[in-house]
Amino acid sequence: DAKTTQPTSMDCAEGRAANLPCNHSTISGNEYVYWYRQIHSQGPQYIIHGLKNNETNEMASLIITEDRKSSTLILPHATLRDTAVYYCIVRPYSGGSNYKLTFGKGTLLTVNP
Amino acid sequence: SAVISQKPSRDICQRGTSLTIQCQVDSQVTMMFWYRQQPGQSLTLIATANQGSEATYESGFVIDKFPISRPNLTFSTLTVSNMSPEDSSIYLCSVAGYANYGYTFGSGTRLTVV
Repeated sequence: DAKTTQPTSMDCAEGRAANLPCNHSTISGNEYVYWYRQIHSQGPQYIIHGLKNNETNEMASLIITEDRKSSTLILPHATLRDTAVYYCIVRPYSGGSNYKLTFGKGTLLTVNP
Repeated sequence: SAVISQKPSRDICQRGTSLTIQCQVDSQVTMMFWYRQQPGQSLTLIATANQGSEATYESGFVIDKFPISRPNLTFSTLTVSNMSPEDSSIYLCSVAGYANYGYTFGSGTRLTVV
């Protein structure tokens, strides 16, 4: 699996957009970018995933660069409840339901009042 | 997405004893995954459990220490055997979502070994 690099921590003001970067310079053509978050003392929660096009859902937007070597998760209006560790994970799409997820250290996002 | 019920949510155990963690899913799934999260650390995959066959363990994890059962497509257990304080962690089970969408995780079992 391609490795990912994320900043250790970031701060964001409540109500502002939170932009979380991820570097995956060794990503392969068949690998998707997935984002999860883990709020303290809970199991990780799926946020969004994408291959090469930008994606948006009710939780966030995912911007993937044209060369696919990096991506940015955007929380458009961060709230205090968005304080969590955010994980960027790269995995092959073709692995299906049998493919394991490998977690890095992630980014601790702290949303401040 | 699947709903996972994981039990117990927490436990305090004496060293040398064993604890079995249960994971129940509300739909049939091919694979179930067990993770460990040590204090302040990220998640580490322990093993992958396929119904009807032995679990596949990651490097550093062995069946004698972490035996896994997978009796049907909706249930799995992980046992932490002969516990020591170093086994104090959060243990989580996970299943893949439909059509490669996000994996779902249980709420975790917070284990403290004293």
